[in-house]
Amino acid sequence: DQQVKQNSPSLSVQEGRISILNCDYTNSMFDYFLWYKKYPAEGPTFLISISSIKDKNEDGRFTVFLNKSAKHLSLHIVPSQPGDSAVYFCAASEGNSGYSTLTFGKGTMLLVSP
Amino acid sequence: DVKVTQSSRYLVKRTGEKVFLECVQDMDHENMFWYRQDPGLGLRLIYFSYDVKMKEKGDIPEGYSVSREKKERFSLILESASTNQTSMYLCATGRTLSVNEQFFGPGTRLTVL
Repeated sequence: DQQVKQNSPSLSVQEGRISILNCDYTNSMFDYFLWYKKYPAEGPTFLISISSIKDKNEDGRFTVFLNKSAKHLSLHIVPSQPGDSAVYFCAASEGNSGYSTLTFGKGTMLLVSP
Repeated sequence: DVKVTQSSRYLVKRTGEKVFLECVQDMDHENMFWYRQDPGLGLRLIYFSYDVKMKEKGDIPEGYSVSREKKERFSLILESASTNQTSMYLCATGRTLSVNEQFFGPGTRLTVL
């Protein structure tokens, strides 16, 4: 049973526009959410995170929004750049689980065209 | 900066061979993790370790074992490699239990023929 879902396998956006990547979760015990970015042949790199006590976190061009009642989070990239083209993984954890394990979604491939 | 290194970037092995994948981190992190990444399946946790000599099964431990004899080193072992273990293997580390970010190595692309 998939606890973290990224229902869009891919997304194409023009340079300069907004990219919105979505993620849904089913486990109500998740209280910390992260986004990772992955280029081919490289390991994922941490992008941005949000705790369940917040509904928004911003870092430069990247903003993550959390809607706890809907069990939904989204990553906004504004403005999108060709270098943002990568696979984006949403991940979630139960902060009190003791082991800091992450449950990942299947990823969304973002293509930003010039 | 956290540095997580993996012993090989690319590896080709034959069915039935014993395969060792090694991961080394230099930041004194408590937790270490092994994932595999497959197209359309995302990252799936194989095993993790929260201390030396301690290990816990992840979501897909079948066909794998691990070893953590030193804090900085976490090995993934495929006792008898099979073609369905062809994948990208990613090692990650994490700090204390209260911090959730994980830092990944560059990955090992394993092909089992």
